[in-house]
Amino acid sequence: GAVVSQHPSRVICKSGTSVKIECRSLDFQATTMFWYRQFPKQSLMLMATSNEGSKATYEQGVEKDKFLINHASLTLSTLTVTSAHPEDSSFYICSATPGRYSNQPQHFGDGTRLSIL
Amino acid sequence: AQSVAQPEDQVNVAEGNPLTVKCTYSVSGNPYLFWYVQYPNRGLQFLLKYITGDNLVKGSYGFEAEFNKSQTSFHLKKPSALVSDSALYFCAVRDISGTGANNLFFGTGTRLTVIP
Repeated sequence: GAVVSQHPSRVICKSGTSVKIECRSLDFQATTMFWYRQFPKQSLMLMATSNEGSKATYEQGVEKDKFLINHASLTLSTLTVTSAHPEDSSFYICSATPGRYSNQPQHFGDGTRLSIL
Repeated sequence: AQSVAQPEDQVNVAEGNPLTVKCTYSVSGNPYLFWYVQYPNRGLQFLLKYITGDNLVKGSYGFEAEFNKSQTSFHLKKPSALVSDSALYFCAVRDISGTGANNLFFGTGTRLTVIP
C-alpha cells in the first residue's frame, strides 16, 4: 500500500531554532501533500496544502513566513518552522494522496513531535 | 461549508461486544467519507471510505461503516471489539463539489477504550 515517511519523529530544541520536517511518499507520486497540526486531545488542523512545483496554499490564520513549505519533487515536501518558539510546540503530521483523484484516501506520515524549550 | 461531528469524546466497550463510533456530516454536495484510526504518537491510518455504491462499507481490521444519506451519518462499527482496537478514531469528509476538492475535514475524534 501507499506509504508516507515523515522525519524526524521527534525534535527537541531551543527557542529561536529553525526546524525542518520532511515528508516523503515512498511508493507513489504525490502532486499534493498536506500539513496538519494536532494539539493534545484535539483534532487535526489543516495548516497548508503543498503543491509540487508551485506555492503552498495556507489556511487562514497560518503564517506563511513562519511555516515555510517546499514541494520540490513529486515525492518530497518539507515544512520548516522558522525561529521556533514554545508556542510552536505541537504534533505535526503530513499526508499525501496518490494521483489527483479526490476519491483516494490520504495516507499519513507518523508525525513529528516538536518541543521547543 | 462542510463539517463533521463526532458526538462522543469517549466510547467504552467490553471486549467481545459490538462497538459503534458515531459520525454525522454536513456538506453542500456529495460527500466522500473516511474513517481513520490513530495510535499514540503515530499518524493516522486509513480504515475505510465511502465514495458511492453500497451503503455498507467494509474496511481494515474487521471494521465497517454504514452510510445513511437521510440521516447524514457514517457510523463506524465492529461486531466484536478487541483490546487492540483501543485508539483514537477520526471521521473525515471531503466535499467533491467545492474548490480544494482534496481537502479533508476531520471530526474532533472519539477515543475508544475496549475493556478486557
